[in-house]
Amino acid sequence: NAGVMQNPRHLVRRRGQEARLRCSPMKGHSHVYWYRQLPEEGLKFMVYLQKENIIDESGMPKERFSAEFPKEGPSILRIQQVVRGDSAAYFCASSPSNRVYGYTFGSGTRLTVV
Amino acid sequence: QKEVEQNSGPLSVPEGAIASLNCTYSDRGSQSFFWYRQYSGKSPELIMSIYSNGDKEDGRFTAQLNKASQYVSLLIRDSQPSDSATYLCAVTGNQFYFGTGTSLTVIP
Repeated sequence: NAGVMQNPRHLVRRRGQEARLRCSPMKGHSHVYWYRQLPEEGLKFMVYLQKENIIDESGMPKERFSAEFPKEGPSILRIQQVVRGDSAAYFCASSPSNRVYGYTFGSGTRLTVV
Repeated sequence: QKEVEQNSGPLSVPEGAIASLNCTYSDRGSQSFFWYRQYSGKSPELIMSIYSNGDKEDGRFTAQLNKASQYVSLLIRDSQPSDSATYLCAVTGNQFYFGTGTSLTVIP
């Protein structure tokens, strides 16, 4: 039973390019959460999705960031026109139901904007 | 006021000692409480969950919850060098809130 799978592990983008981060939840998990962790800072909630629905995007920046979790395939976090401040570790987590239970995190994608 | 607050540390303890990590939270309606361990460059790993007042023990780890005082703590007995990591407190409210973490170093 594979855990939460994220790819790529490391992603380097030039300023102005697009970054696409992928997350496949654990088998049987239908709830996906994206978090961002800046160096020396805690995990910041970005967005909570179920299949084909965004449940809570209160942590998403208003511009350039979007997320989806289609009926088929992984969840995608997309960052358009990346800037250096977007450099961070992006973690995806999944759970079988709502947030009452602890999350299982993927290994993360380290985004570096040069 | 942050939803979840932890001392950033670093906290250093000698091998074999008890490490005590503390966390306070602001939302009195919070129902579920978790401790995660995060090694440098790795993802957070769930190590303890607690839902009711009192103590919960799992091996060398004990989580303590006091809802009246709005604090959660994690005790690590017989600390080992492999316990050296950052420990994140997480609390569920409207969202799943994480503290910034406490860095623990266990000195051999």
